[in-house]
Amino acid sequence: AQKITQTQPGMFVQEKEAVTLDCTYDTSDPSYGLFWYKQPSSGEMIFLIYQGSYDQQNATEGRYSLNFQKARKSANLVISASQLGDSAMYFCAMRERSGGGADGLTFGKGTHLIIQP
Amino acid sequence: DTGVSQNPRHKITKRGQNVTFRCDPISEHNRLYWYRQTLGQGPEFLTYFQNEAQLEKSRLLSDRFSAERPKGSFSTLEIQRTEQGDSAMYLCASSRRQGARTVNEKLFFGSGTQLSVL
Repeated sequence: AQKITQTQPGMFVQEKEAVTLDCTYDTSDPSYGLFWYKQPSSGEMIFLIYQGSYDQQNATEGRYSLNFQKARKSANLVISASQLGDSAMYFCAMRERSGGGADGLTFGKGTHLIIQP
Repeated sequence: DTGVSQNPRHKITKRGQNVTFRCDPISEHNRLYWYRQTLGQGPEFLTYFQNEAQLEKSRLLSDRFSAERPKGSFSTLEIQRTEQGDSAMYLCASSRRQGARTVNEKLFFGSGTQLSVL
């Protein structure tokens, strides 16, 4: 089963509009962390925001916020006032405390966001 | 502030040849990860090091793949007898782990090495 599911392969959004990128996850571990990364065409994965499973409040970092709904196991990224430079691939990722195997991050397949002027 | 550096950025090789990639992590980072990313997919974990010790290898890492981090600083990933299915972006990431496993460990990625096997 997929641990991280991103159901939107691509999105077109008008500049200055807000955009929500969906992410659902699957884990039985009570302790986990959720991450969002941005990957522009240059290839580098850029960290955007982090949410811990025990965090009481939704994480925010500038124009980025995370809509964390623990019961639904969703961790949607919200970008306010989108800009042309936001056009990129966006990946949701998770790390579980127990980990099982890999001690790295488990990534979803990503959403390709295109901001239109 | 120097980030994670990967070389080369692009590598084109013929099937059956050996290739080697290099990753220089952020200097104070003790952990180094290798990921592979194919078109339309998210990065997939391959292996990681804590200092010079290779602590885990994914089942994706066949016998043709070998990674080293001899002095706990830079790392190399070698693929022997390359196959067309090895064509992918190979990403390196580093982090600073202090103490026990924590869920909030943030990875810093390089720009990757794009491998094309003809």
